[in-house]
Amino acid sequence: EAGVVQSPRYKIIEKKQPVAFWCNPISGHNTLYWYRQNLGQGPELLIRYENEEAVDDSQLPKDRFSAERLKGVDSTLKIQPAELGDSAVYLCASSQDYSSYNEQFFGPGTRLTVL
Amino acid sequence: GQQLNQSPQSMFIQEGEDVSMNCTSSSIFNTWLWYKQDPGEGPVLLIALYKAGELTSNGRLTAQFGITRKDSFLNISASIPSDVGIYFCAGRYNNNDMRFGAGTRLTVKP
Repeated sequence: EAGVVQSPRYKIIEKKQPVAFWCNPISGHNTLYWYRQNLGQGPELLIRYENEEAVDDSQLPKDRFSAERLKGVDSTLKIQPAELGDSAVYLCASSQDYSSYNEQFFGPGTRLTVL
Repeated sequence: GQQLNQSPQSMFIQEGEDVSMNCTSSSIFNTWLWYKQDPGEGPVLLIALYKAGELTSNGRLTAQFGITRKDSFLNISASIPSDVGIYFCAGRYNNNDMRFGAGTRLTVKP
């Protein structure tokens, strides 16, 4: 079974440029999460989707970050414009549903460097 | 908020030695989880603990859910070179919302 797929794996951009990350969750997983992992830290949740609905986006900086999960399958996270402090690894995870007994499976992440 | 304090930040050990790391919080969690992250990869679940006092093993790994529900530890016995990586604790609250510690970076010298 294929795991969570993310692309690109690496992205280097200049500040004020836009950037987008793509995630394809494990087939059949209804819940999708986007995390940001700063250097030397653990992942921090940005947004959670239940099917196509964003049910928890309280930690998403809405002035520059946006996300969508059309058709409740794959998802895109966008930053526009990027700032130096956005440099981090952006992880996507999925779980069968939001139940506390369902493991979250993580993708390999996209490492973003903003110059 | 549900802040987790994970220690130690890093460990340098000799192959064959045992390792112990822990996580504490001022908040109560419903579940404690331990993940391992290799370079360039996402975290992978090692052990999940669902009840206060629970002691669970997975091969050479043993983890416990503290009685107060505010702490957990992970032990690795007889370390091997492939144990190298960053180990994260995570506390779960609500249904599947997790808070992660800052990680323990483990280096194993052959």
